[in-house]
This record gives sequence, structure tokens and C-alpha cells, in this order.
Amino acid sequence: ETGVTQTPRHLVMGMTNKKSLKCEQHLGHNAMYWYKQSAKKPLELMFVYNFKEQTENNSVPSRFSPECPNSSHLFLHLHTLQPEDSALYLCASSQVGGTTDTQYFGPGTRLTVL
Amino acid sequence: KNEVEQSPQNLTAQEGEFITINCSYSVGISALHWLQQHPGGGIVSLFMLSSGKKKHGRLIATINIQEKHSSLHITASHPRDSAVYICAASIQGAQKLVFGQGTRLTINP
Repeated sequence: ETGVTQTPRHLVMGMTNKKSLKCEQHLGHNAMYWYKQSAKKPLELMFVYNFKEQTENNSVPSRFSPECPNSSHLFLHLHTLQPEDSALYLCASSQVGGTTDTQYFGPGTRLTVL
Repeated sequence: KNEVEQSPQNLTAQEGEFITINCSYSVGISALHWLQQHPGGGIVSLFMLSSGKKKHGRLIATINIQEKHSSLHITASHPRDSAVYICAASIQGAQKLVFGQGTRLTINP
């Protein structure tokens, strides 16, 4: 596997379900990000992790809970979501402190909350 | 008003036409990114600019720091260029990107 991978690619869940999104980066980067892309809205930053430590929480509701066990893996745990949380969730990684802060994106997980 | 604004929101053109997508920003930036998003969601980084101009194949990106404006140009456009093009600003002093709303480009054969 190369680049940034995300699983699952599609997820349908009820409002009472608990599920997790997984992201893995194979680029040796030290920072990882979760973004949300809702229909007809710009991409929104949700969380930033540097060296496994959360450095940004962009006022995200507590029903979204991130976890970064190491610099290659990032999870987004979901519970009691609302239909308006249906969106494309994108993970990205970058090398902080290098010559470029280009972020590399995964393919996204398209989430539908019923 | 968004901190990053793109225009137009939608653009349809014929194959071979010269395409320009514009991006204006109102915040201090360390760099400006152009991204391409194909149907299905995957995002690819095209350019990262902090000054001047960059070229890659048929794509050219320019930035004017004083005017807080960037443009993405596509020469000899092709149907495979059809995608959403997103402008994103790296905020100065912060490790975050602020995104424009995207420009949906459709190139007809």
C-alpha cells in the first residue's frame, strides 16, 4: 500500500450505532488530519495530530472522538451521530518541519447517517 | 464571507479551451495550495505556492501576494480535466488549511 488509505470507503449507520473510521499513512509523515466535506460546503478541518498528540480540535462535537495510537494510524470513532453528520470524511498526512507542508489526502469515507 | 473565495463556482467549457480559475484570500498565509478532487472524493495536491508562478504540464498556477490572489490555468483543456478544483490557504503561524468552496469544471468533448 502506498500513500494514505482509508477504510471503509462507504459506511451507512443508524443514529444509535457506534462505528470507527480508519486512516493509515505509508509516507513516514509526522502529522495527520481529519476533514469533513459536506455537500455544497468547503472542506472543514476537524482534528490535527502532530507526533501522536492532538494539536487542534476545531470545535467538533463530542460524538466524534479521534484516536492516534502512532504517527501512521488515525481513527475517528463515531457514536450517536445525527443525519446532518452525513458527509465525506477525509484523512490527510503531512511532514511538519520539512521543506513543504503539502498534505496528502486519502480517498475518503462516505458516511450516511440514517 | 469565507476567508478563501473561489470563482467561478461552476465552469463548463469545450475541449481545447484555456481555463482560468480564481482564488482570493483575506488572511495571512504561508502558502497557497491548489487541489484537484475527482468524482468519488480523492484529492490530489497540484501546486503549493508562496510566490510567483509554477507550471506542471498543462497546468499553471500563479500567485500575487500583494493582491492576495491566485489563479489556476489549464491550457488545451481535455475532458479528463473535469473535476472540482479547490484552493486552500496555509494559515500563517498555524498548522491548518482553510479551503475555498471549490470550482466544478466540466470539459465537453
